Amino acid sequence: EVQLVESGGGLVQPGGSLRLSCSASGFTFSSFVFYWVRQAPGKGLEYVSGITNNGGSTYYADSVKGRFTISRDNSKNTLYLQMSSLRAEDTAAYYCVKGYSNGWSHFDSWGQGTLVTVSS
Amino acid sequence: QTVVTQEPPFSVSPGGTVTLTCGLSSGSVSTSHYPSWYQQTPGQAPRTLIYSTNTRSSGVPDRFSGSILGNKAALTITGAQADDESDYYCVLYMGSGIRVFGGGTKLTVL
Repeated sequence: EVQLVESGGGLVQPGGSLRLSCSASGFTFSSFVFYWVRQAPGKGLEYVSGITNNGGSTYYADSVKGRFTISRDNSKNTLYLQMSSLRAEDTAAYYCVKGYSNGWSHFDSWGQGTLVTVSS
Repeated sequence: QTVVTQEPPFSVSPGGTVTLTCGLSSGSVSTSHYPSWYQQTPGQAPRTLIYSTNTRSSGVPDRFSGSILGNKAALTITGAQADDESDYYCVLYMGSGIRVFGGGTKLTVL
């Protein structure tokens, strides 16, 4: 069974940094593309970042480009999102999402999310 | 700036059929956009329903179906049930790893 468990969320001040992690199990982690999708309170879903199975290609939404860095450690079955220069508008639930295949495939399996709150 | 459009809040009667659509602010949606659909109930993570226009994700009941209708992608729910009351999001693939969410449609079953 696919399991995706996010961690690392919490309260951070504007301008601060936070690193989210997503621990994966139940499948061959290194064979799949991964994504981060976020949802601000009461709002819709937003695709934030993605990384191919070998880490060779990444994507960032314009809203986070230059501030967020996605990475993965295939030896630890873990996905990361390093977030810096955080703003109030980054407040959201962040979902770790497994893609359907190794390339830029659709969103397949979703974690339960971790909440990030940016506030002074 | 690509905008993916979805309907405002919608309602359907129990047992009824409803079609939600997903369009583009400029241009037509085609199978080349690999439309996918996601269901989210309040307080829960999203769930994948449909991908590549019309392929149901594992475990999704066959009352959910996807298609292209005219210049939009469509999600049809046949025989709506109370637990279908959710927010529904479509996603279109724009190439080069870029996927864009629609704003979502809140579906009420009453």
